[in-house]
Amino acid sequence: SHELTQPPSVSVSPGQTARITCSADTLPKKYSYWYQQKPGQAPVLVMYKDSERPSGIPERFSGSSSGATVTLTISGVQAEDEADYYCQSADRGDTLVFGGGTKLTVL
Amino acid sequence: QITLKESGPTLVKPTETLTLTCTFSGFSFNTRGVGVGWIRQSPGKALEWLGFIYWDDNKRYSPSLKTRLAISKGTSKNQVVLTMTNMEPVDTGTYYCVHRAWQPIIPEWFDPWGQGTLVTVSS
Repeated sequence: SHELTQPPSVSVSPGQTARITCSADTLPKKYSYWYQQKPGQAPVLVMYKDSERPSGIPERFSGSSSGATVTLTISGVQAEDEADYYCQSADRGDTLVFGGGTKLTVL
Repeated sequence: QITLKESGPTLVKPTETLTLTCTFSGFSFNTRGVGVGWIRQSPGKALEWLGFIYWDDNKRYSPSLKTRLAISKGTSKNQVVLTMTNMEPVDTGTYYCVHRAWQPIIPEWFDPWGQGTLVTVSS
């Protein structure tokens, strides 16, 4: 089981908006981070501190937080965004933890 | 530019000890705050943080694996070594070396990651 809960899959058509959620009791007090992993590749950081976008990440990626849920939003989804997405934070004991991952399918 | 690369055996037998080396460039343990960590990913895709070693030689491990893990600085100044004892088939997966990203007080994160190395535990 995972401390952070993500939906297993999200599907959207090109140009639509994808929203991937991550929830846990600890999130209101701790920042979260998001990683994108394409097949056969290592994960890449796409969001940090809930809503900060690293340099080089397209502006269509954004993050938000509300209560115990954080959301990664991809506006105007492109085919190249098809990947697994993982959230990460820390539990009450400060152990770093990941969500189970969400497979984003671009229809 | 920060890069990391893992090396080590691709196959280990049950009960054996796994030793992986991470060779990095673009940063140094001479800088306060620097850390190098390890993360693994099972074939079923779950990611699991294993631990960190920091610029001051302190270490932090996942509580669930703490008794089996050791992370140390290598003989070369740009290397980190992961040792995991008593390997089992469930330990099969891809092991990633990662650069610690951090700001005071908040949870650490990982950026960037090495390419990963697949380790299979089988007799």
